[in-house]
Amino acid sequence: GIQVEQSPPDLILQEGANSTLRCNFSDSVNNLQWFHQNPWGQLINLFYIPSGTKQNGRLSATTVATERYSLLYISSSQTTDSGVYFCAVVGGTSYGKLTFGQGTILTVHP
Amino acid sequence: DARVTQTPRHKVTEMGQEVTMRCQPILGHNTVFWYRQTMMQGLELLAYFRNRAPLDDSGMPKDRFSAEMPDATLATLKIQPSEPRDSAVYFCASGGRDTQYFGPGTRLTVL
Repeated sequence: GIQVEQSPPDLILQEGANSTLRCNFSDSVNNLQWFHQNPWGQLINLFYIPSGTKQNGRLSATTVATERYSLLYISSSQTTDSGVYFCAVVGGTSYGKLTFGQGTILTVHP
Repeated sequence: DARVTQTPRHKVTEMGQEVTMRCQPILGHNTVFWYRQTMMQGLELLAYFRNRAPLDDSGMPKDRFSAEMPDATLATLKIQPSEPRDSAVYFCASGGRDTQYFGPGTRLTVL
């Protein structure tokens, strides 16, 4: 099946810093989503982005499908951004069947 | 504010007991997914349904797990008999082809 690798595995920031999270995938995808799992365990959908660029406030994401990677940018980070960020993809013709990466653990200190 | 709901939120049981987890998907969503999250394996898809029909349950241990969707507002995941290795957080999600929305999860501990 499709493989999803995220980097870095851990990231520690001071409040106000910017960061870039990366997601590499091993095959073509028809769906790519970024999720944030907050410290209470809730998974929150951030972006649906199988290609192109989207922005939502301080967060933006870019997927270059031809090169099989996606980037999540967090600007002016806040302590509430802490948690685990997951990239998940649906490969080929697998309808809706998300494969998750192992996540990036982000800690933002005040 | 539409959201996926799951019950119970926490469940502690003894090995060998039956466990039933319930999920109410967002009204109008035609696809429902069950995931399991553990430290070792991360997030894994167990099964999913489209228009209440099971599409794929290849991620589930068939001998002890079963998933059903008796109607459009209820999905269930049962484990019988439960084992300590089943301890995990079980998430239900609903959506369509594009975006999946996750419930708060059921944290299961099997002693």
